[in-house]
Amino acid sequence: DIQMTQSPSSLSASVGDRVTITCRASQGIRNDLGWYQQKPGKAPKRLIYAASSLQSGVPSRFSGSGSGTEFTLTISSLQPEDFATYYCLQHNSYLWTFGQGTKVEIK
Amino acid sequence: QVTLKESGPALVKPTQTLTLTCTFSGFSLSTSGMRASWIRQPPGKALEWLARIDWDDDKFYSTSLKTRLTISKDTSKNQVVLTMTNMDPVDTATYYCALGRRGFDYWGQGTLVTVSS
Repeated sequence: DIQMTQSPSSLSASVGDRVTITCRASQGIRNDLGWYQQKPGKAPKRLIYAASSLQSGVPSRFSGSGSGTEFTLTISSLQPEDFATYYCLQHNSYLWTFGQGTKVEIK
Repeated sequence: QVTLKESGPALVKPTQTLTLTCTFSGFSLSTSGMRASWIRQPPGKALEWLARIDWDDDKFYSTSLKTRLTISKDTSKNQVVLTMTNMDPVDTATYYCALGRRGFDYWGQGTLVTVSS
């Protein structure tokens, strides 16, 4: 199975900060990766697909990069509504796996 | 507009079998490339992918749970069903269904299942 190692597990940041979250795959997954945002009590919502493509309707302050084994989600200027938990998901192999999540909290 | 909704018991006893149904509208799971998955999330913990069924009826299961899971679909009813045997309190979680071609474009609202005697 492909393991996804996500870091950090949590971070504290202020409104306006630039935030970076990383996912590393245990083997190459091309660009078969998405990033999801989840707010308490809600279903996740996809922000990025194919590692770097912005989902329709998602603000442009969100961006994704990477290919192969290392991937990054960047929020260029953190907004109050961005405080949430973020997950990566690989769908390269037959069995899909999530990262462990990154909780973004208010500093 | 695509909608998905999970249904099933809110409470099950240890050792029982859980059956969850995802009823969807706005798409067809017989469309080439479409895939439907079940995902769960224990309270305060991370998302865990459980199982997937594809448009061509291929089925895939989490390695750690594959002996307990069965996924199926009824295209005529627009439903995907997950059964999980031998339920344990550690299986207490919100269970989601989700679909897409590559990853998850759409999610249901989730259904909380508590395992307790």
